[in-house]
Amino acid sequence: SQQGEEDPQALSIQEGENATMNCSYKTSINNLQWYRQNSGRGLVHLILIRSNEREKHSGRLRVTLDTSKKSSSLLITASRAADTASYFCATDLEEYGNKLVFGAGTILRVKS
Amino acid sequence: EPEVTQTPSHQVTQMGQEVILRCVPISNHLYFYWYRQILGQKVEFLVSFYNNEISEKSEIFDDQFSVERPDGSNFTLKIRSTKLEDSAMYFCASSLNEKLFFGSGTQLSVL
Repeated sequence: SQQGEEDPQALSIQEGENATMNCSYKTSINNLQWYRQNSGRGLVHLILIRSNEREKHSGRLRVTLDTSKKSSSLLITASRAADTASYFCATDLEEYGNKLVFGAGTILRVKS
Repeated sequence: EPEVTQTPSHQVTQMGQEVILRCVPISNHLYFYWYRQILGQKVEFLVSFYNNEISEKSEIFDDQFSVERPDGSNFTLKIRSTKLEDSAMYFCASSLNEKLFFGSGTQLSVL
């Protein structure tokens, strides 16, 4: 089964607007993380939310987690052109150690 | 800020040849990983390594693949006999806890 599926697959917004990306997963998790990838580069950790947390903030990022719906959302407020990247959620499954399973990602384009 | 470094950044090889992808994880990290990403697709887990042994591996990580930490600083991924479908970006990552730090990747092209 697929774990950590993001939607939308692609999102195009104007600078200054908010961007919301969603992630759904299928099994119980220890935590959920969001990573960012600029084209052709490695992934950069953005934020981690634990299974007993519901919301977390970091700068312009806001992450929510709903374990009953097995879903998470990443909100980027007041987007900038430099936020253009792919965003991935990654889940740390309860029954495994520290292996992260990544979703397919959302490609965000912020137009200036 | 410490970072994970990978070499080479690009590797072109002929089908059937052996390749070794190299990584220098962050020095105080304990867990090491290899992931790969075929162009336009998701980032796939290959293997995790802890305490000098493989802790977990995926179905992709078959007998053609091996990992080694030969000298306490480098972490290598060897593909013994490359296939066309091994063409991908290979990422090394290391961690001290749940947060992974990724290198910039090695783009492997198998011809």
